[in-house]
Amino acid sequence: GQQVMQIPQYQHVQEGEDFTTYCNSSTTLSNIQWYKQRPGGHPVFLIQLVKSGEVKKQKRLTFQFGEAKKNSSLHITATQTTDVGTYFCAGQAGNTNAGKSTFGDGTTLTVKP
Amino acid sequence: DTGVSQDPRHKITKRGQNVTFRCDPISEHNRLYWYRQTLGQGPEFLTYFQNEAQLEKSRLLSDRFSAERPKGSFSTLEIQRTEQGDSAMYLCASSLSRWTGRAGELFFGEGSRLTVL
Repeated sequence: GQQVMQIPQYQHVQEGEDFTTYCNSSTTLSNIQWYKQRPGGHPVFLIQLVKSGEVKKQKRLTFQFGEAKKNSSLHITATQTTDVGTYFCAGQAGNTNAGKSTFGDGTTLTVKP
Repeated sequence: DTGVSQDPRHKITKRGQNVTFRCDPISEHNRLYWYRQTLGQGPEFLTYFQNEAQLEKSRLLSDRFSAERPKGSFSTLEIQRTEQGDSAMYLCASSLSRWTGRAGELFFGEGSRLTVL
């Protein structure tokens, strides 16, 4: 079945440093979503990418969807302590009726002030 | 509050007992999903509904798990004869239909944490 992998599993940065997490799917995706989960919280939707090669920005966050629609990345510029949490990517397979979303195991970001 | 709500938030039960969780989705969302999450892992898909129809169920899901959404609004997830391995956070999410192009945008509830002793 479809698998979604994320690297790195953990990332520790000094406040102000940049951070990037990568997401790779074993199959072509019709779309990809990114979520943030704070410690003790639930996943919160951040953004959805649909088009091949798409790039979207939300303030200090930049999201990219690969040309082959099998990979994605999230880049945070100048991290802040409020960025702490686990970032998950999730995707719906390209050959299905926009059914379930398969999640990666996330990248946990810690920020040292 | 118009978000996804789940009840109960915490459930402690003994092995072999049955438990039921309830989820109330965002009112205008016709898709409803159940996921399970354990520590250090991403949400694992269990099943989802489009209105009252259950469209997909994980092949990894034991027959002890059953979900319903009888009127296309709230949903229940029942686990029969619980086992210690069922201990996890059970997350419900809802979304708009695929015709909107936003079916992948899941809005999660705060989850129901199950502990099986």
